[in-house]
Amino acid sequence: DGGITQSPKYLFRKEGQNVTLSCEQNLNHDAMYWYRQDPGQGLRLIYYSQIVNDFQKGDIAEGYSVSREKKESFPLTVTSAQKNPTAFYLCASRLRAGTSSETQYFGPGTRLLVL
Amino acid sequence: GDSVTQMEGPVTLSEEAFLTINCTYTATGYPSLFWYVQYPGEGLQLLLKATKADDKGSNKGFEATYRKETTSFHLEKGSVQVSDSAVYFCALVSGSARQLTFGSGTQLTVLP
Repeated sequence: DGGITQSPKYLFRKEGQNVTLSCEQNLNHDAMYWYRQDPGQGLRLIYYSQIVNDFQKGDIAEGYSVSREKKESFPLTVTSAQKNPTAFYLCASRLRAGTSSETQYFGPGTRLLVL
Repeated sequence: GDSVTQMEGPVTLSEEAFLTINCTYTATGYPSLFWYVQYPGEGLQLLLKATKADDKGSNKGFEATYRKETTSFHLEKGSVQVSDSAVYFCALVSGSARQLTFGSGTQLTVLP
């Protein structure tokens, strides 16, 4: 079955530590996105990538970094510069062409907690 | 910038009641509009969408009509079930990256 996988489901970060969240898709989608969800709020865009080896900052990129070396993969690193990282992180992807090109499909999410 | 305003929650209904969740938007032009649903501890699932004015999106008994005159995309269902309990997000797509702008979500609880 095609889909988006995120791992781990839960992640714990110590003070001063960098952690990386994985996002993989086998939908052959071109664009990928990272969103952050805080309790009682909508999702906010962290980073996005429309093609391999290219990515752009979203609305809340400070304290995060990404890479896009392969079409299927878009890992997110939460750095020690992110002072309030506790949140639910969601990865999404979409095709860039065709009738369904504006629809984003989401992974199951990773919940990041600070120890 | 673009924005989406959703009806404040939480909303609690009895099974078989009628559901309306209001959603209005502010955007340049006529963006595509979406409703996503999130079950506890899970990611978002696309519920329905509409890409132009007067389009009606529908799925699983839920409906929403794209109204450009009132810049609205209200979600409705004639008879809710306990299994519909979830958080519902209204969203629009915009920008060169086609990113989603979300409302704050509405928690729906359906009691048996």
